[in-house]
Amino acid sequence: AQSVTQPDIHITVSEGASLELRCNYSYGATPYLFWYVQSPGQGLQLLLKYFSGDTLVQGIKGFEAEFKRSQSSFNLRKPSVHWSDAAEYFCAVGVGNNDMRFGAGTRLTVKP
Amino acid sequence: DAGVIQSPRHEVTEMGQEVTLRCKPISGHNSLFWYRQTMMRGLELLIYFNNNVPIDDSGMPEDRFSAKMPNASFSTLKIQPSEPRDSAVYFCASSLEGNTIYFGEGSWLTVV
Repeated sequence: AQSVTQPDIHITVSEGASLELRCNYSYGATPYLFWYVQSPGQGLQLLLKYFSGDTLVQGIKGFEAEFKRSQSSFNLRKPSVHWSDAAEYFCAVGVGNNDMRFGAGTRLTVKP
Repeated sequence: DAGVIQSPRHEVTEMGQEVTLRCKPISGHNSLFWYRQTMMRGLELLIYFNNNVPIDDSGMPEDRFSAKMPNASFSTLKIQPSEPRDSAVYFCASSLEGNTIYFGEGSWLTVV
């Protein structure tokens, strides 16, 4: 069955430090892969997506993610975190619209 | 561009009352989704429409929940009668089939 796992429930980093949020998926073929961010009291905003092609994907707000087929991973990275990046981050995997699964989310706290 | 528009943003109602949540998808999108988000269960897909037709409602919790999409620009999610365990954030989302899902800002429902 198709699934997506975010191993880290909560991560704390210092402002200015680098960030990597992990995402692993289980699917027979290469799915579409997404990262969304949810700020408190807000909806989910798309950060970036991977459908095919270059495995390093650039997104908004300085985020990037790398698709690694051999590891079934799609980790989100940012070289220098800002206090405004504190939010919940969701990895999602899907093939077509009717079978999209979200991870449980990783809550990011940014220390001053 | 206007995103997915949901109303009401917040609703507090008494147990047993009918609740109607409304959604206007992004113009031109032909797929619409209703999700529910809770701390315990994360983000769950309730129902999915394609070209106004319900395709998959296997996520609808029980008969108290119903969803309609009378036209391409409007959908409702109704809970009747409501119960405290229905308290959650309900997200509507839309997409152009085969592409990225865009979320509304959610309807925060509290049933007391």
